[in-house]
Amino acid sequence: EAGVTQSPTHLIKTRGQQATLRCSPISGHTSVYWYQQALGLGLQFLLWYDEGEERNRGNFPPRFSGRQFPNYSSELNVNALELEDSALYLCASSGGNKVHEQFFGPGTRLTVL
Amino acid sequence: GENVEQHPSTLSVQEGDSAVIKCTYSDSASNYFPWYKQELGKRPQLIIDIRSNVGEKKDQRIAVTLNKTAKHFSLHITETQPEDSAVYFCAASSASGGSYIPTFGRGTSLIVHP
Repeated sequence: EAGVTQSPTHLIKTRGQQATLRCSPISGHTSVYWYQQALGLGLQFLLWYDEGEERNRGNFPPRFSGRQFPNYSSELNVNALELEDSALYLCASSGGNKVHEQFFGPGTRLTVL
Repeated sequence: GENVEQHPSTLSVQEGDSAVIKCTYSDSASNYFPWYKQELGKRPQLIIDIRSNVGEKKDQRIAVTLNKTAKHFSLHITETQPEDSAVYFCAASSASGGSYIPTFGRGTSLIVHP
């Protein structure tokens, strides 16, 4: 069974640009979560998508947005990039009869110069 | 909302020693407490979890204890090995709209010296 995949592995942008990150969940999982992991701050919850809808969002500004496609893959968009957006962005999926267990992808390392 | 405090931030032990990582949470509605291990450059992976109706759970060399009254839970690793070196995250969550969105602690960097 393939795990959660994310692309790209690394992304380098300059301040003010937009970044798009992608995630494919485990087959059969309908929920996708996005987290920001900045150095020393643990995992901060960004967004939760389920069945194509945004179900919840963390304490982040509106320039962090995303969507979930009919095949349950997801996209995270970060507009007007700021230096402090540099972090590892992790995607996780859950589903089936273990909705509480989240399986993480390898992450996308975003660097904003 | 939920707030999770995790201590210590760094823990250094000798191979074979035990390691204990402690977390406290604030929301009494939290009822699911997973622990994740993140090795350097890798994704977080669930290593053990506990629900609020259970006080202790063991899986080989790792165990987790939960004190609901005091709102704290701990990870215990016995007979540590160098491959246990990683960052460990605790989390607390409760069912919300059909899913569990965990609030994570800031992590503990465990270093096991051979």
